[in-house]
Amino acid sequence: DTEVTQTPKHLVMGMTNKKSLKCEQHMGHRAMYWYKQKAKKPPELMFVYSYEKLSINESVPSRFSPECPNSSLLNLHLHALQPEDSALYLCASSQGGSGGLIYNEQFFGPGTRLTVL
Amino acid sequence: TQLLEQSPQFLSIQEGENLTVYCNSSSVFSSLQWYRQEPGEGPVLLVTVVTGGEVKKLKRLTFQFGDARKDSSLHITAAQPGDTGLYLCAGAQTGANNLFFGTGTRLTVIP
Repeated sequence: DTEVTQTPKHLVMGMTNKKSLKCEQHMGHRAMYWYKQKAKKPPELMFVYSYEKLSINESVPSRFSPECPNSSLLNLHLHALQPEDSALYLCASSQGGSGGLIYNEQFFGPGTRLTVL
Repeated sequence: TQLLEQSPQFLSIQEGENLTVYCNSSSVFSSLQWYRQEPGEGPVLLVTVVTGGEVKKLKRLTFQFGDARKDSSLHITAAQPGDTGLYLCAGAQTGANNLFFGTGTRLTVIP
């Protein structure tokens, strides 16, 4: 299985809602990532988990809260978002570890298209 | 900080034409990946280059890593409408647990 899955595919939420995005991989990868991508722009890194521990937080507002329940799952909890948070949210995974870091080939999920009203 | 600059930013060509996309940086990378992304989907890994001067071919796509491992190019021969998409280069640095993405090149191939 070489696939990264993300649910839901689309999400519309109000500014007072609480929702969660989910990501799953079964490639045995030990690094997982959340990216935010605005239209016609490259992905912007939000969080990196390495061996289920948060290793990078790119100064993301606290209304985004990541969680890594186990090595295959990654969640992104959303609360009190703003309309400017509307974007495509991408999850990715990579082998991680000392050998994997040389190449850091990342495999992306299809993304969740989030709209905040 | 944006470490990788891609050019051109936009490219619209006729089917059958050739094109080259450039990815430049002042930083050295241990490896460099090229991804293609279609609208509403996640980026798909095309190739990884790791050795300075390395050339890799994937059907009509030719990828080259610069001798100093600071830049890369993607050449497409006889472009097809199916090549349409956003092309992203991304560099990895030894020990860093993240990728540095380029600014992207949006390619449109007109039938």
